[in-house]
Amino acid sequence: EVQLVESGGGLAQPGRSLRLSCAASGFSFDDYAMHWARQAPGKGLEWVSGINWKSGSVGYADSVQGRFTISRDDAKNSLYLQMNSLRPEDTALYYCVKGRGYSYAYDPWDYWGQGTLVTVSS
Amino acid sequence: DIQMTQSPSSLSASVGDRVTITCRASQGVASSLAWYQQKPGKVPKLLIYAASTLQSGVPSRFSGSGSGTDFTLTISSLQPEDVATYYCQKYNGAPITFGQGTRLEIK
Repeated sequence: EVQLVESGGGLAQPGRSLRLSCAASGFSFDDYAMHWARQAPGKGLEWVSGINWKSGSVGYADSVQGRFTISRDDAKNSLYLQMNSLRPEDTALYYCVKGRGYSYAYDPWDYWGQGTLVTVSS
Repeated sequence: DIQMTQSPSSLSASVGDRVTITCRASQGVASSLAWYQQKPGKVPKLLIYAASTLQSGVPSRFSGSGSGTDFTLTISSLQPEDVATYYCQKYNGAPITFGQGTRLEIK
């Protein structure tokens, strides 16, 4: 059974940093692209960042480019999102998502974690 | 960036009705289009990918069609458990973008 368990969310002041982690199990982690997506309260889905298998290419939404960094550790079956210079508009439930193939940009997504809530407020 | 626009934004239908949701891309995305279902308080679930391929385990009353810029998700006979918000997503290159969602309720 595929499991994706996010952690690291919480309350942060504007301008501060948080690091999200995602522990994956139930599949061959290093064979698949992975993503972070988010959903602000009562709003729709937004892609945040994706990373190819074997730590290949990465991509970011314009809204987080230059502030967020995605990475993966295949030895630990883990995905990370370093979030710097946080803004109030980054407040959302952040999901770890498994791609259906190896490309973050050219494959759909087939499993989602339960999410970790990030709140940015002074 | 390619924008995805869904219509309607919300709809109400009766059990047993045929329901159609439309997704339009601002530029062609070939068949790189997926549909997700998000039930209230739950995480999204992949229903359809490659515009018309049903994900394993998804009931056959769900179907997808289209290519290029115009796509549809059809529920052939609406069931009470289909109450959810439905999102289309394009994945023919970054950035990956979603439609704004269509909220489906039972009349």
